[in-house]
This record gives sequence, structure tokens and C-alpha cells, in this order.
Amino acid sequence: GAVVSQHPSRVICKSGTSVKIECRSLDFQATTMFWYRQFPKQSLMLMATSNEGSKATYEQGVEKDKFLINHASLTLSTLTVTSAHPEDSSFYICSARRQRNYEQYFGPGTRLTVT
Amino acid sequence: SQQGEEDPQALSIQEGENATMNCSYKTSINNLQWYRQNSGRGLVHLILIRSNEREKHSGRLRVTLDTSKKSSSLLITASRAADTASYFCATGVNAGGTSYGKLTFGQGTILTVHP
Repeated sequence: GAVVSQHPSRVICKSGTSVKIECRSLDFQATTMFWYRQFPKQSLMLMATSNEGSKATYEQGVEKDKFLINHASLTLSTLTVTSAHPEDSSFYICSARRQRNYEQYFGPGTRLTVT
Repeated sequence: SQQGEEDPQALSIQEGENATMNCSYKTSINNLQWYRQNSGRGLVHLILIRSNEREKHSGRLRVTLDTSKKSSSLLITASRAADTASYFCATGVNAGGTSYGKLTFGQGTILTVHP
């Protein structure tokens, strides 16, 4: 099966600092990766679509200067939460899509807590 | 915005019973997928049904799709305590360009199976 990893799995940071989350497809190439945010007991909200070698496409209401996305290779996308605030505390999940089918393979998620 | 609406929001049953969850959506879709999420974990893909399919089976799972009513159902037969999780439907649309393949998630159903 297709495996997607995320690192770190859990991070606690102070308000005002920046945090980088990595998403890797381990055994396949992903031309497209997606970043989601999930608040407790809620569904996943798509934040942005990340395409290798091009700028990310952000969903309405998501600040692109605050959530920096880089998709530098076919197996790695990064999400950087800049100047994090407590309201950014959430569960961030990435997914990677194979080119040949519609299935997305999800990472295990990263729990961000901003104090 | 979340396109999918799921009901019930929470479902509590005894082991051995069947569990049915429903999902409705608003726009035309290319496919509909069901995912499972254990508490605080990533998503596991369960099944994908394309817009030209009406029913699909995978083990104890049965998914139906009615595009005229813009609705889908997930049936888990002979449930087990290990099936306890949140279940989400997600719709994929024929969006072109860089957003191809992005999913819109429903609000989810929290299933609890009592042993």
C-alpha cells in the first residue's frame, strides 16, 4: 500500500514562533499533496493544494503568508505555520495523491499546540 | 466549505449489529469516498465509488450512491468493537487544473460499537 508520513507527530511551540511540518510519500511519487486542518470533534477542512514545482493553491479564507507551503520534490511537501498563535493549535493532516487514481493517502497527522 | 452532510452525527450500537451512515452532498461529483479515523489519528481509506456506480462492496462494507438524490450510504455489517471510530464521506469533483482531485469532507459520524 501507499504510505505517507508526517513529521513531527506532535509539536508544542510558543506564540510567535514558526513551525515546519513535513509530509512525505514513502513509496510513490505524489505530484499533488493536500493540507488539511482538523479542530477537535470536527471534520477536515482543506487548507491548500500543493503541486510539485508550482505555487500552492489556497482555499478561501486561508492566509497564504501565514501557512507557507513548499512542494520541492515529488515525495515531499512542507507546511510552515509562521508566527503561530494559540488559535492555530490544531491537528494538521496531509495527503498525497497518486497520479493514476483518485485515492488520496493520508499521513498520520501532526498535533500542533501553541502556548 | 464542507459539502457533505452526514447523519447521524453519532451512532451507538451493540457488537454484531449493522451500522448505517448517510452522506448528502450538493454539487456534481466525480467520485465519493469513505474514510475512517480513529481518535487523534490519520485517515484510513475505506472505499471509493465512482459517479457511474450505484453500489460497491468491500468485506463487511457496502456503499451505495444515488446521484439523483446526491446521497450515499455506508453500511457496516456485523459490527465489532474495533469498528469504533469516526467515519467521513468525501466527494471528489471534476475540478481541472491544479485543484484536480481535491476532496471535500462531510462532518462525519462518530460510531461507537459496544462489546
